[in-house]
Amino acid sequence: NAGVTQTPKFQVLKTGQSMTLQCAQDMNHNSMYWYRQDPGMGLRLIYYSASEGTTDKGEVPNGYNVSRLNKREFSLRLESAAPSQTSVYFCASSGPSTGDYEQYFGPGTRLTVT
Amino acid sequence: GIQVEQSPPDLILQEGANSTLRCNFSDSVNNLQWFHQNPWGQLINLFYIPSGTKQNGRLSATTVATERYSLLYISSSQTTDSGVYFCAGDSGGSNYKLTFGKGTLLTVNP
Repeated sequence: NAGVTQTPKFQVLKTGQSMTLQCAQDMNHNSMYWYRQDPGMGLRLIYYSASEGTTDKGEVPNGYNVSRLNKREFSLRLESAAPSQTSVYFCASSGPSTGDYEQYFGPGTRLTVT
Repeated sequence: GIQVEQSPPDLILQEGANSTLRCNFSDSVNNLQWFHQNPWGQLINLFYIPSGTKQNGRLSATTVATERYSLLYISSSQTTDSGVYFCAGDSGGSNYKLTFGKGTLLTVNP
């Protein structure tokens, strides 16, 4: 039981390049989330998916898109990376039961945009 | 959205000491959680504690929802307790939009 997995672990992009961060969970959770963490700050929600087939914006969605590919997988895409998107990105999931909101986190992806 | 304040921002302890970390919310919250981020960056669930008190080994947590705060107690601290402790709660009206505090950086010296 791997929990929440993320790929890649590290990535360096040039300004304007695009990339997709992958996240998968094997806990049969309904809900999945993407956060970013910047130095000295807590985590900020980018997008979430309350259930398969739905996605909603969080606190800082600008510059990002998401896809809930199936119940297990939730990807985050940067279409045109900017230095302000340099951050550590965490994926999380919660469920499986309705009303079960405790979130479990993946190991993170450290992204640098030059 | 709600504001989450954690105190103290930094804490240095000698191994074996006890400590209390506090989390205040600007409005009522649901789904309050405590996390530990270890020095390698991994976020680990400590407690899901919307109200009441829970204990897990040397750690315990209490949430007083009506007064909008939560406390995390660490007893007999160990060097492995070092890291950043975050609390988070939902941003009112949505059970999915957790708002995090900025964390308490705990350093436990041998």
